[in-house]
Amino acid sequence: AQSVAQPEDQVNVAEGNPLTVKCTYSVSGNPYLFWYVQYPNRGLQFLLKYITGDNLVKGSYGFEAEFNKSQTSFHLKKPSALVSDSALYFCAVRDIINYQLIWGAGTKLIIKP
Amino acid sequence: ETGVTQTPRHLVMGMTNKKSLKCEQHLGHNAMYWYKQSAKKPLELMFVYSLEERVENNSVPSRFSPECPNSSHLFLHLHTLQPEDSALYLCASSQGLAGVSYEQYFGPGTRLTVT
Repeated sequence: AQSVAQPEDQVNVAEGNPLTVKCTYSVSGNPYLFWYVQYPNRGLQFLLKYITGDNLVKGSYGFEAEFNKSQTSFHLKKPSALVSDSALYFCAVRDIINYQLIWGAGTKLIIKP
Repeated sequence: ETGVTQTPRHLVMGMTNKKSLKCEQHLGHNAMYWYKQSAKKPLELMFVYSLEERVENNSVPSRFSPECPNSSHLFLHLHTLQPEDSALYLCASSQGLAGVSYEQYFGPGTRLTVT
């Protein structure tokens, strides 16, 4: 079955430190992968996507993600965290059967000053 | 206004009420979506419209009824809801169907409470 897993409910990082939010997936064929962020009382905002090409994808607000086919992962990273990065982060992958997105349950990222 | 707007932002309704959620996108997109978001759960796709035609209905109970009168507007009509329907309802749009490669743009959501 096709699926997305975000193994951490919450990630705590000190401001200025690097951050990683993990995502692994299970799909047949070539995956299309997405990251979205949700700030409090807001809808989701698109951060970045991997469709094809370079395994390292750069997105909004200084975030990047690395596609690793052998580990079936698409972890979100940022070299230096800001308090304003505190939010809920969602990973999603295309379902190749019906072309919908399969969503992870989300990871709450808390950046402490 | 820009982007995707949703009204109302908050709604409290009894189980016997009828209400409607409204979504409007100002992005010139061709696809629109309704999602249900519950705490600590993946987003649940409810309905997808592409060029005003419904292309997906993910086994959603009939007490939820979507309407897409044109490519800019999407409604979710609600009637005889259950308390477990309380959630954040998100509307989204995309240039084409999101499962192909297009990213989605989300509205702020309607926080629905069923009493």
